[in-house]
Amino acid sequence: EVQLVESGGGLVKPGGSLRLSCAASGFTFSSFSMLWVRQAPGKGLEWVSSIVGSDNMYYSDSVKGRFTISRDNSQNSLYLQMNSLRAEDTAVYYCARVHFYPSGTHYLDYWGQGTLVTVSS
Amino acid sequence: EIVLTQSPGTLSLSPGERATLSCRASQSVSNNYLAWYQQKPGQAPRLLIYGASSRATGIPDRFSGSGSGTDFTLTISRLEPEDFAVYYCQHHDTFGQGTKVEIK
Repeated sequence: EVQLVESGGGLVKPGGSLRLSCAASGFTFSSFSMLWVRQAPGKGLEWVSSIVGSDNMYYSDSVKGRFTISRDNSQNSLYLQMNSLRAEDTAVYYCARVHFYPSGTHYLDYWGQGTLVTVSS
Repeated sequence: EIVLTQSPGTLSLSPGERATLSCRASQSVSNNYLAWYQQKPGQAPRLLIYGASSRATGIPDRFSGSGSGTDFTLTISRLEPEDFAVYYCQHHDTFGQGTKVEIK
């Protein structure tokens, strides 16, 4: 059974840092690209960052330069290092497994349960 | 970048009724690579449909997807109590804003 379990969320002050983790099991983690999606309270879904393979990282404009996505295939884990946090980063952060269509774009076939990040003084 | 616009924002229906949700893209979606997700309160999104019309594993056949180009539809043939939720469409890194299906 595929499982994705996020951790690391919490309350942090504006300008602070936080590192999210996503522990994967039930599949060959190294064979799949992964990404982070967030959802602000009462709002919709927003793509944050993707890691394609091990070396290609992509970021939304809203987090570029502040967030860093990474993975450790030996630990079956995905990470999101979040620096210079702002109030507008407050959201539930989900990790999700990427499934590519033949053309190269994708859908998300498994999601974690999410971890809440609250940025407030 | 494609913008996905979902309508209506809220759909009020009774159990047993048919639900028709729309997702319109600002430009043609390549190869109809559009997905639909269901999200219940306090839960993560769940994949329902990919490639516009293929049901994901374990999804009941009352859920169906259709459409091509810029216009896509998610249909729930007969609403069950557990189907009242928010539904999102997605292409590449873009999500629609969601349609809430609520009990009338």
